[in-house]
Amino acid sequence: DQQVKQNSPSLSVQEGRISILNCDYTNSMFDYFLWYKKYPAEGPTFLISISSIKDKNEDGRFTVFLNKSAKHLSLHIVPSQPGDSAVYFCAASASNYQLIWGAGTKLIIKP
Amino acid sequence: EAGVAQSPRYKIIEKRQSVAFWCNPISGHATLYWYQQILGQGPKLLIQFQNNGVVDDSQLPKDRFSAERLKGVDSTLKIQPAKLEDSAVYLCASSLVRSSGANVLTFGAGSRLTVL
Repeated sequence: DQQVKQNSPSLSVQEGRISILNCDYTNSMFDYFLWYKKYPAEGPTFLISISSIKDKNEDGRFTVFLNKSAKHLSLHIVPSQPGDSAVYFCAASASNYQLIWGAGTKLIIKP
Repeated sequence: EAGVAQSPRYKIIEKRQSVAFWCNPISGHATLYWYQQILGQGPKLLIQFQNNGVVDDSQLPKDRFSAERLKGVDSTLKIQPAKLEDSAVYLCASSLVRSSGANVLTFGAGSRLTVL
């Protein structure tokens, strides 16, 4: 049972445009959602999080939107830069803090 | 602040052999995690320690995998005997114990295991 789903294995975006990565979840008990970025041969690094009591959180070029009724969140990157090319993982946690991970979306920024 | 250290970075073994991975978490991080990541999938939690006690090992294949965190600092993950399907990246992560807020994990670079 996949509680966190990232349905797009890959996404290609022109440099300077907006990248939108999507994530769907099934467990309404999740109270925090996190996005991680992973370069090849490195571990995932934390990008941004959002609490279930909010619908938006922004940090520089990165904004996460949460739609609880649709059980959907998205990560917006504006403007996209070549260094943003990586695999992005969505993860969610309930009160026990164990993170449940999506399968990841590979983002490719084209020059 | 030093990051999470892992070794070895790469290991190639034959099936039925054994292998051990080492992890040193960020100083002061009481919680340590071992994850298995297979290509094209998200990380799968194998075991979670808080200090030197096991919090969750429900997804650890205990017939072949073992892990310990003596003295509540560094940790080792062992596989014996290895199977072909154990080929993966083994990620170690650590975090502070939090009473509220997002549980942000810091990951090491991982140990890539290839079983032939």
